[in-house]
Amino acid sequence: GAVVSQHPSWVICKSGTSVKIECRSLDFQATTMFWYRQFPKQSLMLMATSNEGSKATYEQGVEKDKFLINHASLTLSTLTVTSAHPEDSSFYICSATPEDRAILEEQYFGPGTRLTVT
Amino acid sequence: GQSLEQPSEVTAVEGAIVQINCTYQTSGFYGLSWYQQHDGGAPTFLSYNGLDGLEETGRFSSFLSRSDSYGYLLLQELQMKDSASYFCAVRGNAGKSTFGDGTTLTVKP
Repeated sequence: GAVVSQHPSWVICKSGTSVKIECRSLDFQATTMFWYRQFPKQSLMLMATSNEGSKATYEQGVEKDKFLINHASLTLSTLTVTSAHPEDSSFYICSATPEDRAILEEQYFGPGTRLTVT
Repeated sequence: GQSLEQPSEVTAVEGAIVQINCTYQTSGFYGLSWYQQHDGGAPTFLSYNGLDGLEETGRFSSFLSRSDSYGYLLLQELQMKDSASYFCAVRGNAGKSTFGDGTTLTVKP
């Protein structure tokens, strides 16, 4: 099956620093990847759509200058949380669908990255 | 926009059958998915309905009625390991998914 990995699985950083999270599709190519954020006991909220070779599309209310997304290849998207603050502490999850499958079918989720900002 | 409603909590005993309902209001709809998430883990795909009707995958089944904007996930022969959060999600325009708030299922012995 299609596998999506994320790195790191957890990270603790100091307020004001930046953190980069990687999302990789290990055995398939994905033109589009999605980034979600989940606070404890809450649902997944779509942050942005990462498009290979072009700018990401951000959902309303998500600061594009704070959450930088780079989709440099068909297997890698990165999310950089810039000048992180404690309120950015959350579970960040990416997902992707193999190119040879309809975009409307199953999404494959990465294992998530738990970010704690102190 | 999209909005989904599902019960916040459901409790059942081992071996029982439980149904988790999901109603939705959407501006674009291509399908309804169901995901399971254990504490601390990422969501895992359970089922997808693009057309009306019932989809069966082992102990899990999912149903969709597009005319009623309604679907459900049916879990049979419940096991303790089924205790988790279950999310319905609408697949909309550009492949984006909007998730419901999740239903916490507790399976008791």
